[in-house]
Amino acid sequence: EDKVVQSPLSLVVHEGDTVTLNCSYEVTNFRSLLWYKQEKKAPTFLFMLTSSGIEKKSGRLSSILDKKELFSILNITATQTGDSAVYLCAVQNSGGSNYKLTFGKGTLLTVNP
Amino acid sequence: DTEVTQTPKHLVMGMTNKKSLKCEQHMGHRAMYWYKQKAKKPPELMFVYSYEKLSINESVPSRFSPECPNSSLLNLHLHALQPEDSALYLCASSQFQGFAEAFFGQGTRLTVV
Repeated sequence: EDKVVQSPLSLVVHEGDTVTLNCSYEVTNFRSLLWYKQEKKAPTFLFMLTSSGIEKKSGRLSSILDKKELFSILNITATQTGDSAVYLCAVQNSGGSNYKLTFGKGTLLTVNP
Repeated sequence: DTEVTQTPKHLVMGMTNKKSLKCEQHMGHRAMYWYKQKAKKPPELMFVYSYEKLSINESVPSRFSPECPNSSLLNLHLHALQPEDSALYLCASSQFQGFAEAFFGQGTRLTVV
């Protein structure tokens, strides 16, 4: 069974801090790893990673994948209160016709002013 | 238009009621998904439709009945639910099944009384 483990489960920081969120996975026939940000309701897509060692960047957020060690990190620099959310990591397999997304439990990030 | 629209936003129903959740997208996506999310847990896949045909049913009880009338619409019919079915129900779509970047709707917060 596919497995995604995120750490830490929760994190409290002050505005301006840099945070690193971790995601490790075990999946049969890995296809891609995705990061989502979930505030009140809908998860919002952040990044999709398929290749090792290539950093994806969007503003203050960046992410990288290590397919050999089976993990990914999401970095947020100069955090703002608006970054407070649950950050979800999900992996997709390509087994048969399933193409399922398996989510981790998420990291609850709280950024205090 | 990169939006997935879900209605209603909130729903309270009795255990003997029949209700439906609706989901709509106009991105030309051919895969649509229903997820269930309980508080402080990640989304759990319920159903996948690919080209309007049911592709995956994650052993969901028959009191949940999905329907895909056309490529833009996805419904979830609810009947004889239990209080433990109370959750956030999220609809998502992606270009194709197996195309990992899924867009989520804002969800329907369902309470069964």
